[in-house]
Parts: sequence; structure tokens; C-alpha cells
Amino acid sequence: EAGVVQSPRYKIIEKKQPVAFWCNPISGHNTLYWYRQNLGQGPELLIRYENEEAVDDSQLPKDRFSAERLKGVDSTLKIQPAELGDSAVYLCASRKEGLAEAFFGQGTRLTVV
Amino acid sequence: QKEVEQNSGPLSVPEGAIASLNCTYSDRGSQSFFWYRQYSGKSPELIMFIYSNGDKEDGRFTAQLNKASQYVSLLIRDSQPSDSATYLCAFPPGGGSQGNLIFGKGTKLSVKP
Repeated sequence: EAGVVQSPRYKIIEKKQPVAFWCNPISGHNTLYWYRQNLGQGPELLIRYENEEAVDDSQLPKDRFSAERLKGVDSTLKIQPAELGDSAVYLCASRKEGLAEAFFGQGTRLTVV
Repeated sequence: QKEVEQNSGPLSVPEGAIASLNCTYSDRGSQSFFWYRQYSGKSPELIMFIYSNGDKEDGRFTAQLNKASQYVSLLIRDSQPSDSATYLCAFPPGGGSQGNLIFGKGTKLSVKP
């Protein structure tokens, strides 16, 4: 079974530029999470989807961040415009309904210069 | 604000010793707790979760939960250099076993040969 797939693995952009991250969850997993992890910190939730519905986006900086999960499968997270403080690892995770374990993808390491 | 507190370490133990990792949480309604391991540059992976007061053992790992003290720990017996990683404690706020996860900052463990 393939795991959670994220792309790109690394991204370097200049501040004020847009950037997008893509996530393909494990097949059959209806819950999808986007987390942000700063160096030396634990992951912090940005948004959670149950199927195609965003059920918790309270931590998503909506002035510059947006996310979508069309058809309840793949998801994209976008930042526009990026700021220096957005440099972090962006992690996608998925979980199957009824199970406790969430599986993480390898993450996208974003560097804003 | 629901919080998880962990000693960031580093915690250094000799090979073969018992490593003890601790976590306290603020939400008295929390019912389940998760321990994730994260190798440097990699994504978190679940190693154990616990719902009930007391101990839960899985191979060399033992999770201990004390809800009255709002304390959860992870013991690693016969520590190996391959156990060197950051260990993240996490819980879903408000009870239940699913939904969002709030992560601690993690404790960095170093097992010396």
C-alpha cells in the first residue's frame, strides 16, 4: 500500500511569490490534515478535511493561505504571497475513518528567501 | 489553549539502558494519547497510543498514562542507537480518539553506543 505522497519535497522561493504544495493521501482515508512544523517544534495543525469538507481551519492564516480538497482525495495547500516566516516543513497526513492512527507524508520543506 | 509539555532534551542514555520520556497535558477531557517518533529530516511515525490508565507494552516500548496527574510517559527498554530520534507526544483535544492532534515540541533522544 502506498503511503501519503507529497510534492515537491523541497521548494525555495523568494518572498512575495506564490507557492503550492500537493498531497495524495492513502487510498480510502477520508480524513486529511495539513500541518506545519517549524524547526525544533512539533507539528501544528493548519487545516483538517473530512472528505471534501474543511471541518477545522481555525489555525489557517486565511489572508495568505488557502487549501482545497476537490473530490475528497488529493489536496493542495497554497501560500500567496509567501513571507520569510513561512519557511517550515509542511506535512500532510491522512487517517481512515474509525481508526486512530494518522500517517504522515514525507513533507515539503519550504525556504523563503 | 490546550497544551502539551515535553522536555526538549537532549536526553542522552547509553546503549542498553532504559530511556524515559515524559509528557504533561492540560486538557482534563483528553482520553487518548499518542507517541510519535521522528528521525531527523523525516516525518513523524506513530509508535504507540494509549487510552486507559496504566501501562501498555509493545515490544521494547511501554506507554504509561496517569489521567489524574495528566501525565503520560514512554519507556524504551534496551535502548539502541537506532532509537535516537525526537519523540513527540500528541493528543486530540476535547476527548475522543480522532480528529485533530496537538503535538508537544518533542524530546530529542540520543542513545550512545
